[in-house]
Amino acid sequence: NAGVTQTPKFQVLKTGQSMTLQCAQDMNHNSMYWYRQDPGMGLRLIYYSASEGTTDKGEVPNGYNVSRLNKREFSLRLESAAPSQTSVYFCASSEIVGTRGYTFGSGTRLTVV
Amino acid sequence: EDQVTQSPEALRLQEGESSSLNCSYTVSGLRGLFWYRQDPGKGPEFLFTLYSAGEEKEKERLKATLTKKESFLHITAPKPEDSATYLCAVQARSGGGADGLTFGKGTHLIIQP
Repeated sequence: NAGVTQTPKFQVLKTGQSMTLQCAQDMNHNSMYWYRQDPGMGLRLIYYSASEGTTDKGEVPNGYNVSRLNKREFSLRLESAAPSQTSVYFCASSEIVGTRGYTFGSGTRLTVV
Repeated sequence: EDQVTQSPEALRLQEGESSSLNCSYTVSGLRGLFWYRQDPGKGPEFLFTLYSAGEEKEKERLKATLTKKESFLHITAPKPEDSATYLCAVQARSGGGADGLTFGKGTHLIIQP
């Protein structure tokens, strides 16, 4: 089925460990996004990529890096995980913003202990 | 800074009891206002996009409306399957900086049979 695929779905890390969250979309969308969702805070934008080869910071980029590998894939890396990065991470993609909105993946639930 | 405030935080209704959810926003030039539905453990699912004051969109038992300061999501004769968290988001016509959506914290809706 067409959509946004995120892996892994669940992950537990120790403080200081690194990991990469993977995201791929098969809708030929130009723009891709990474959000985190925390109780009482709502969804907050970490990084986005308006098109292949470009990335920009969002509201909460500290502690994260991203790579737009190609048009389909947009990864999020935590170089040295901290407990404050415990969250649910969502990847999203869009074609022309303002029409069909964003298509979200099912999320990665990350716990840093 | 763009801001989105949703109210109430939680709402419990009886099946068939109509009501409205509110989304108040401040944005430096509105490009679009979005409504999403989010089920537990899943990513947000797109419902509507509204572009200008006076615009309305409908889908089954849901109708979204927009004024210059707020949007309402009206739910008519809801059913238990309408239970979910409803998210509102705005995108500014800023042309620079983060291109992502700014989300409210959501309204958790429960429809009791």
